Amino acid sequence: QSVLTQPPSVSGAPGQRVTISCTGNNSNIGAGYDVHWYQQLPGTAPKLLIYGNNNRPSGVPDRFSGSKSGTSASLAISGLQAEDEADYYCQSYDSSLSGWVFGGGTKLTVL
Amino acid sequence: QVQVVQSGAEVKEPGASVKVSCKASGYTFTSYGITWVRQAPGQGLEWMGWINGYNGNTNYAQKLQGRVTVTTDTSTSTAYMELRSLRSDDTAVYYCARGRTDGSSHFCDYWGQGTLVTVSS
Repeated sequence: QSVLTQPPSVSGAPGQRVTISCTGNNSNIGAGYDVHWYQQLPGTAPKLLIYGNNNRPSGVPDRFSGSKSGTSASLAISGLQAEDEADYYCQSYDSSLSGWVFGGGTKLTVL
Repeated sequence: QVQVVQSGAEVKEPGASVKVSCKASGYTFTSYGITWVRQAPGQGLEWMGWINGYNGNTNYAQKLQGRVTVTTDTSTSTAYMELRSLRSDDTAVYYCARGRTDGSSHFCDYWGQGTLVTVSS
């Protein structure tokens, strides 16, 4: 059971917009700790996609955006492309655990 | 450019120890931390621990306290993760990544390629 809760799977057709939620509590997201998102393509290492709730590292397309409110965060992907098919993980810090925490991951399928 | 390169795959028997290395380049090693994350087959990401590249301070996941040790050699910009008393459920791909911590923000921006550790008799 992950500390941060994500839907196991989402799907969308090419060109559509999908969102992935990440729900925490008052020890992590709700305590003001930033949320970060990683993309893991099949058979590869994770890659930083969004940091500090809504910032994109250089090279990440602006089709990817992040937001945070209260004890939850969301990753939005617009203009879906086949290459976006991957697993997505949210991550934050938890003060009660004194450590970093990940969501369970969401598998995105592009129909 | 920033690179993080890990040591190769390992096969260990239950009860043994494994030590994975992680060599960083392309940045000032002591200005950042190193985070270790593992991923069991078909499962999600699990944070294991973090080390401050400047002063060597560490922080470990409660679940692994007492079995894991993370160290650095600043002379070679290399970090090491040792996991002891291996069990079959420690079979996983182990990742190291450059860790950034800044107040309320803790995340990894550059990841190694992963090291498969298989625990089997």
